[in-house]
Amino acid sequence: AQKITQTQPGMFVQEKEAVTLDCTYDTSDPSYGLFWYKQPSSGEMIFLIYQGSYDQQNATEGRYSLNFQKARKSANLVISASQLGDSAMYFCAMRGSGGSYIPTFGRGTSLIVHP
Amino acid sequence: DVKVTQSSRYLVKRTGEKVFLECVQDMDHENMFWYRQDPGLGLRLIYFSYDVKMKEKGDIPEGYSVSREKKERFSLILESASTNQTSMYLCASSRDGQGNTIYFGEGSWLTVV
Repeated sequence: AQKITQTQPGMFVQEKEAVTLDCTYDTSDPSYGLFWYKQPSSGEMIFLIYQGSYDQQNATEGRYSLNFQKARKSANLVISASQLGDSAMYFCAMRGSGGSYIPTFGRGTSLIVHP
Repeated sequence: DVKVTQSSRYLVKRTGEKVFLECVQDMDHENMFWYRQDPGLGLRLIYFSYDVKMKEKGDIPEGYSVSREKKERFSLILESASTNQTSMYLCASSRDGQGNTIYFGEGSWLTVV
């Protein structure tokens, strides 16, 4: 079975600073994908970034980067130069291959960016 | 542009009513999912479907059923709504494979009174 753990229910960061949102996972699948989503108060889920388990380099998308440490089974999201519009819930998710392709989500981290 | 559309954004229903939540995707995706989201609990899978007329129970299927008569449409049915089904419901779709992005609808906020 797959499991995603997000241990930070809430995080605060000053505008323009960087912030790291933690995500650890557990799976017996040798091949899997890791995702991060942003959910503003409007409720829509916005895809941010993807990391494959066999990718050699950490994924980056603009101000978002994924700090992937396979041995530690962690996939932390780093947001650089935080903006007020980054205030939202953030969810880490994974899906495996074959029978474990069903996406599994963590409980989320609420990020508040202060001016 | 990819699109997952949920028919109702906000609903208020009475206890015991039958409720239909409709979801349509325009990406020809094989997989479709219904999640329920509650504060502090994240997204919990209710049902999923990997093909037309195929459905599988997720983690919390009790009190719900689903229908997938066409590839693009996946409906969630609450046979007899109860107050503990007040929640936000999210529909999602994707192609097969662990590298394929999961696309979400805007969510349906259901209140059962």
